[in-house]
Amino acid sequence: QKEVEQNSGPLSVPEGAIASLNCTYSDRGSQSFFWYRQYSGKSPELIMFIYSNGDKEDGRFTAQLNKASQYVSLLIRDSQPSDSATYLCAVKYSNYQLIWGAGTKLIIKP
Amino acid sequence: KAGVTQTPRYLIKTRGQQVTLSCSPISGHRSVSWYQQTPGQGLQFLFEYFSETQRNKGNFPGRFSGRQFSNSRSEMNVSTLELGDSALYLCASSSGAEGHTYEQYFGPGTRLTVT
Repeated sequence: QKEVEQNSGPLSVPEGAIASLNCTYSDRGSQSFFWYRQYSGKSPELIMFIYSNGDKEDGRFTAQLNKASQYVSLLIRDSQPSDSATYLCAVKYSNYQLIWGAGTKLIIKP
Repeated sequence: KAGVTQTPRYLIKTRGQQVTLSCSPISGHRSVSWYQQTPGQGLQFLFEYFSETQRNKGNFPGRFSGRQFSNSRSEMNVSTLELGDSALYLCASSSGAEGHTYEQYFGPGTRLTVT
């Protein structure tokens, strides 16, 4: 059974520090990996996706993929209170379906 | 480009009734996925439609059904509503095509309350 696991948190990080969110997945056939941010009461918003091993940077966000170890992470530099949200990791398999983690709640403390 | 739209945004129904939710994907997107989200449960996948065909299905009872029209708009129907069906129903749009990374873009959701 394909699974995606995330630490539910909450993860508390001081303002201005680096927040590190992790996600592991079970199936080596995974093709693409996605990070979404969801504010309370709102729908998920795509932050970035990655499909090759290594790092991908977009502004303050960096996604890191390690297929050999089957994990993907999201780093948020210079964390702001507005980054406080639940972060969802999703993994695409060959059948066009995304498998979702339960999300990590991130709290940025001013 | 206009985003994903869902109607209605809020709905209150009585147990035993049925409900139909609508989703219009991003222009050019042919895949629509539906999710149920309840507090503490994360995103539960209902089904995915691509070019008017159901391509994937989650583990929900047959009371939950959907369809997709030739313009890619999709509807989801829930019959014989139960109290446990109260949730945020999310629609996500994607190109869905072979060779694409398949990122999904979500609509604002329909919040269904069953009393």
